[in-house]
Amino acid sequence: AQSVSQHNHHVILSEAASLELGCNYSYGGTVNLFWYVQYPGQHLQLLLKYFSGDPLVKGIKGFEAEFIKSKFSFNLRKPSVQWSDTAEYFCAVNAYASKIIFGSGTRLSIRP
Amino acid sequence: GAVVSQHPSRVICKSGTSVKIECRSLDFQATTMFWYRQFPKQSLMLMATSNEGSKATYEQGVEKDKFLINHASLTLSTLTVTSAHPEDSSFYICVVASGRSGELFFGEGSRLTVL
Repeated sequence: AQSVSQHNHHVILSEAASLELGCNYSYGGTVNLFWYVQYPGQHLQLLLKYFSGDPLVKGIKGFEAEFIKSKFSFNLRKPSVQWSDTAEYFCAVNAYASKIIFGSGTRLSIRP
Repeated sequence: GAVVSQHPSRVICKSGTSVKIECRSLDFQATTMFWYRQFPKQSLMLMATSNEGSKATYEQGVEKDKFLINHASLTLSTLTVTSAHPEDSSFYICVVASGRSGELFFGEGSRLTVL
């Protein structure tokens, strides 16, 4: 069965600090990987996705993620965070056209 | 434009009543739709997989008699919360899978508040 682990439940950073949020998944076959962001009081928004090809994926708002197949990881990164990045971040995985499984989420708080 | 339309976006009902939420695929025919629930400050949890023309597949712990799912056409799936109680208050989201590209498209979600 598919599963997704996000080990950081709450991350607190100062503005301009670099960010890396961990995501590990468990699945025996080919997967699609996603990072979603949910700003306070808003719906989920897709940050980036990996289906195939270049394992380094660039998304919106300066975010990127790297798929490392050998480690079953898909960590999210941003070189310099802003106060507006304060949100909940969800890693997710699915097999082709199949149900998507979400991680428990990481709350990111940015100190101005 | 929106690929998936979910309605209503907000609904408030009294305890004991039933509420129907619709999910429409606007751009393509969807044989499979997924229903998720998100409680405040929690992640999205899959409730069931809705299959066109057949019974839905429910995740463990989800009461199929309480959360009725109907996927009568290739563009419409409905979730009915029967005899709703305050603990059913949540954000319900449908997700549609494109069989052609494998991409997933999210509905806007429906916030249910049961008084």
